Amino acid sequence: DAGITQSPRHKVTETGTPVTLRCHQTENHRYMYWYRQDPGHGLRLIHYSYGVKDTDKGEVSDGYSVSRSKTEDFLLTLESATSSQTSVYFCAISDPVTGTDTQYFGPGTRLTVL
Amino acid sequence: AQKITQTQPGMFVQEKEAVTLDCTYDTSDPSYGLFWYKQPSSGEMIFLIYQGSYDQQNATEGRYSLNFQKARKSANLVISASQLGDSAMYFCAMREPEVGGSRLTFGEGTQLTVNP
Repeated sequence: DAGITQSPRHKVTETGTPVTLRCHQTENHRYMYWYRQDPGHGLRLIHYSYGVKDTDKGEVSDGYSVSRSKTEDFLLTLESATSSQTSVYFCAISDPVTGTDTQYFGPGTRLTVL
Repeated sequence: AQKITQTQPGMFVQEKEAVTLDCTYDTSDPSYGLFWYKQPSSGEMIFLIYQGSYDQQNATEGRYSLNFQKARKSANLVISASQLGDSAMYFCAMREPEVGGSRLTFGEGTQLTVNP
């Protein structure tokens, strides 16, 4: 199994508060991703990173920001959480040098915004 | 337009039988990759199998095989000899290469139930 951890695993917060989710990897993979999973939508890409300090937007990036100051950590921040951001958040990692560039996922973070 | 379509919200299969989960995709890029993931009720996403657009052979991984029909743009997952532990949600996903990352686009999933 890929060494990917996410913290916290569960969080309940109130509308308007800032929230930061952390993804940590021990695989030294270059690429890291944040997805959200909602019923009826599969997984949708929020932001991704292709290196330290190199990030780009995904399909559903509004209301989210990310930072990657070192290879192993990728942070997702909700500046002012809203109820529509209640979801399960998955981090993933990949590295093109592996050939198929398969993405491996962390265990997920269940976020509830009241 | 949907890039990945999984038309079966739910599927049922008897234990020890084979089952096919459908996936069709839409892309104009000649180079792409197709993936299947399994999500059991515990919630984690587990990588099952990969097929590259230029691969000549259909991918196989143990009891999983991918029925890749490029002209029809379909990449169906075949699970042979189903087991109770195969009960889960299954997602098809596509990667279209682009500078700066290898984004995956997911289908909405198929819930597979294996009956004893």
